[in-house]
Amino acid sequence: QSALTQPASVSGSPGQSITISCTGTSSDVGGYNYVCWYQQHPGKAPKLLIYDVSDRPSGVSNRFSGSKSGNTASLTISGLQAEDEADYYCSSYTSSSTRWVFGGGTKLTVL
Amino acid sequence: QVQLQQSGPGLVKPSQTLSLTCAISGDSVSSNSAAWTWIRQSPSRGLEWLGRTYYRSKWYRDYAVSVKSRITINPDTSKNQFSLQLNSVTPEDTAVYYCAREGRNWFDPWGQGTLVTVSS
Repeated sequence: QSALTQPASVSGSPGQSITISCTGTSSDVGGYNYVCWYQQHPGKAPKLLIYDVSDRPSGVSNRFSGSKSGNTASLTISGLQAEDEADYYCSSYTSSSTRWVFGGGTKLTVL
Repeated sequence: QVQLQQSGPGLVKPSQTLSLTCAISGDSVSSNSAAWTWIRQSPSRGLEWLGRTYYRSKWYRDYAVSVKSRITINPDTSKNQFSLQLNSVTPEDTAVYYCAREGRNWFDPWGQGTLVTVSS
């Protein structure tokens, strides 16, 4: 069982916006602004989308945005496109010796 | 542009040692601003951080508690790569193993992944 809780699946139509939540504790998500989001297409390695809660690496579309409130972080994808269909994972630094914890992943379906 | 290229066997027998290598291009394993990490992914355990090595005037290694007694991550400066060794594997260690560069607070990029199956 993953340390961070994400919904198993979300869906949306092209052009719509969706939000994926990631719930942890005060020892990880709530305690640090070190939340990341990764996109993973089938058979591929995860790709960094968001770091430090809401920052985007260069080259990542501004349709992807991140935020955090308390122990819950969120990823919003606006203007859904077919190529956004993928699995999305959150991660957070943790004060435990594990250092990094991940969510169980959310499968995004673009209808 | 940093790229990571993984190599190693995809099948390991129970009780034996899993060994993987990650070759780095576009950066140095001796970088003072990065750490070099192994992460695995399986249906039962999800994504799991295994450990890292990094250089800050000397070499350091950190390991996840879950594998600490069985894991070794080593740098190879002559080949600009780093390796993972996981001893005494069981079928529970079956997973896709990824190497990744750990920046300040993120993992980017990742290697292409290696499916390692533990089976006799």
